[in-house]
Amino acid sequence: SQTIHQWPATLVQPVGSPLSLECTVEGTSNPNLYWYRQAAGRGLQLLFYSVGIGQISSEVPQNLSASRPQDRQFILSSKKLLLSDSGFYLCAWRDRGLETQYFGPGTRLLVL
Amino acid sequence: GENVEQHPSTLSVQEGDSAVIKCTYSDSASNYFPWYKQELGKRPQLIIDIRSNVGEKKDQRIAVTLNKTAKHFSLHITETQPEDSAVYFCAAVINTDKLIFGTGTRLQVFP
Repeated sequence: SQTIHQWPATLVQPVGSPLSLECTVEGTSNPNLYWYRQAAGRGLQLLFYSVGIGQISSEVPQNLSASRPQDRQFILSSKKLLLSDSGFYLCAWRDRGLETQYFGPGTRLLVL
Repeated sequence: GENVEQHPSTLSVQEGDSAVIKCTYSDSASNYFPWYKQELGKRPQLIIDIRSNVGEKKDQRIAVTLNKTAKHFSLHITETQPEDSAVYFCAAVINTDKLIFGTGTRLQVFP
């Protein structure tokens, strides 16, 4: 069966520091991968999605970037964090032939 | 751009009563509509979905209805229980690859 991992689970970072969040999927090949952000008490904002290695689509212009160096690995990065980057970051995957997206456990980021 | 509107934002019901959450979408090409339940501090979990070739789908106490003409779809929970308390999100597929989510409904079921 398929599983999705995210790490770290929680992170506290100072403003201006870099960021790297990792997401990996097991048990599937060539999935679509997604990064969402959820501010406290709010909805899900799509940040990036990828349909294949090296293919990244950006939904919201900001100081974040994403990369997909391997088929089942999706990384979210920032060179300099802002206070407004705080939130719950969720990775999701979808089988190429199906519509349903499944979410990872998330990373809770607090920028101070 | 494409969007999904969701109402109400909060909903309080007595245990055993029914709860209904409504969504409307803008992209007439959307053909897949999932519903997710998110408990406090947890990831969203898929609870039911519907495709555009059907008007209703039911899974025990949960049902979803779709009106493609009006671009409306709704989640119905019957015989609510305290463990149904959570935030519920509707979504619609956009351009095959993306889901656009509603803003969420916080459901509280009081014993």
